[in-house]
Amino acid sequence: QQQVKQSPQSLIVQKGGISIINCAYENTAFDYFPWYQQFPGKGPALLIAIRPDVSEKKEGRFTISFNKSAKQFSLHIMDSQPGDSATYFCAASSNTGNQFYFGTGTSLTVIP
Amino acid sequence: GAVVSQHPSWVICKSGTSVKIECRSLDFQATTMFWYRQFPKQSLMLMATSNEGSKATYEQGVEKDKFLINHASLTLSTLTVTSAHPEDSSFYICSARDLGGLETQYFGPGTRLLVL
Repeated sequence: QQQVKQSPQSLIVQKGGISIINCAYENTAFDYFPWYQQFPGKGPALLIAIRPDVSEKKEGRFTISFNKSAKQFSLHIMDSQPGDSATYFCAASSNTGNQFYFGTGTSLTVIP
Repeated sequence: GAVVSQHPSWVICKSGTSVKIECRSLDFQATTMFWYRQFPKQSLMLMATSNEGSKATYEQGVEKDKFLINHASLTLSTLTVTSAHPEDSSFYICSARDLGGLETQYFGPGTRLLVL
């Protein structure tokens, strides 16, 4: 059973456009929601994370929007660049457990 | 930022041999480390959770006798793939969680294993 559902599986965006990746969860005990960026042949790197006490968090061109009632959160990449082309994973965890539950990943391609 | 290293970054071995992969947290102490396996274009599959000084907790379907995990210190965990077979060829990634209470997992760069 997939604890965190992620969509789309792949995404193609023009340079300068906005990339949007969505995730949904069911477990209301989750209270930490990170996003990771992974380039081919590399380990995932933490991009940005949010807790449910805020509805939005922005770091540079990356923004997380969080909807607690809908149990959804999304990653927005503004002014997308070819260098943003990578696979993005959302995740969720609770403070009562060690484990992170990862989404299935989104392969983003930003075309010049 | 928190840095996790893995060694080796890639390894080729013959079928039947054992391979050890090291995971180190370089600038923080990690009570918990995680081992993942990733197939091409797929998500991270958690294999086991490793706690310093205690036995690892394996996910369902992961053979603990085949994938030996040791977490001897707060900065080092090792994964040994015993009697490796071609189907064990994969990308193995470790992550570590900061003892200081930070919530996130920091990932290593991964180890590419190819079993011939």
